[in-house]
Amino acid sequence: KNQVEQSPQSLIILEGKNCTLQCNYTVSPFSNLRWYKQDTGRGPVSLTIMTFSENTKSNGRYTATLDADTKQSSLHITASQLSDSASYICVVGGTGTASKLTFGTGTRLQVTL
Amino acid sequence: DTAVSQTPKYLVTQMGNDKSIKCEQNLGHDTMYWYKQDSKKFLKIMFSYNNKELIINETVPNRFSPKSPDKAHLNLHINSLELGDSAVYFCASSHFRGAGGNEKLFFGSGTQLSVL
Repeated sequence: KNQVEQSPQSLIILEGKNCTLQCNYTVSPFSNLRWYKQDTGRGPVSLTIMTFSENTKSNGRYTATLDADTKQSSLHITASQLSDSASYICVVGGTGTASKLTFGTGTRLQVTL
Repeated sequence: DTAVSQTPKYLVTQMGNDKSIKCEQNLGHDTMYWYKQDSKKFLKIMFSYNNKELIINETVPNRFSPKSPDKAHLNLHINSLELGDSAVYFCASSHFRGAGGNEKLFFGSGTQLSVL
């Protein structure tokens, strides 16, 4: 069964600090891995998309890594800001014409003063 | 200019009623989706349409019926609403996800459905 597991479930950090969120997946066959940010009451917004051949991708202060051998990904947030408070969702895509995405349940990040 | 817009934002209704959620995208995308996010924040695909044609139809009760009048619109009609239908429903769109499916998904802001 295709699954995406994220850890930690929730995280509280001080503004300005760095943090790393983890994602493990068992989706097969694998096509791509995405990280989304979902603010409260809003839809998810794409941060990064990585294919099998990519092992790192950055989007501003967000850097995602992918190890397709161990089926793990991480999202590193540098110099966190209050606006980073949100849920971060790891999503893995399979292959095929109507390829489906498998969503993790997210890590709830709270950045405080 | 909202890229993917869905209405209403909130929907409170009684069990047994029929309701519709509308979605429109102005991104020129070929493919539109409906996702359901449950109380545990888990997002699950319900339907996907490419150019008005149904391409993904997950195991969803047939009380849920999507309708795509054109490729910029995908509406969701729900008959005989049940308590378990309470969730947040997200519309999304992308360019056609062919083999590989690397196209970025753009989500609407969600419709919070509460069935009493």
